[in-house]
Amino acid sequence: AQTIHQWPVAEIKAVGSPLSLGCTIKGKSSPNLYWYWQATGGTLQQLFYSITVGQVESVVQLNLSASRPKDDQFILSTEKLLLSHSGFYLCAWDWGYEQYFGPGTRLTVL
Amino acid sequence: AQSVTQPDARVTVSEGASLQLRCKYSYSATPYLFWYVQYPRQGLQMLLKYYSGDPVVQGVNGFEAEFSKSDSSFHLRKASVHWSDSAVYFCAVSASSGSWQLIFGSGTQLTVMP
Repeated sequence: AQTIHQWPVAEIKAVGSPLSLGCTIKGKSSPNLYWYWQATGGTLQQLFYSITVGQVESVVQLNLSASRPKDDQFILSTEKLLLSHSGFYLCAWDWGYEQYFGPGTRLTVL
Repeated sequence: AQSVTQPDARVTVSEGASLQLRCKYSYSATPYLFWYVQYPRQGLQMLLKYYSGDPVVQGVNGFEAEFSKSDSSFHLRKASVHWSDSAVYFCAVSASSGSWQLIFGSGTQLTVMP
């Protein structure tokens, strides 16, 4: 069975500080991976997707970047956090048309 | 452009009552439709999915949804709700654009009163 893990569970960061969020999936080789962002009380918006190691496509520009350093790992990062980056970040993998989500990371930027 | 509309931001029902959460989509091709549920401070769990065939699809925990091409709708239903069904429900359509992109509605906050 596939399992998806996100780290950290939650972060409280200062405006202007760097950020790195991680996602690891086990049990599926060469998965398509996705990052979504959810503002508090809002809907989900896809940020990035990756279909292979080293290749990442941006869907929405939010002054964030993503990388796929390993087949089972997807990283979301930025050098300087903004207040608007606060929210819930979800990683997902797909099985054809279907997407399955990780437990998420809650980010608070102060 | 593809879009999903959930017209009801909040729905409150009594335990044991029936439930319908509305969803309208806009998509040029045959849609792949989903309902997800999000419990407080958790990720999303898929409730059910529709690709083709029987327009009424069954999901987990007694949920079902009905696809209507003529109405461009995919409403979620449950015959008798339980307090544990309180959560946010998202309708989504899957669109192909290099990879599969899920486009979500704005969500409906369901509160079940005991």
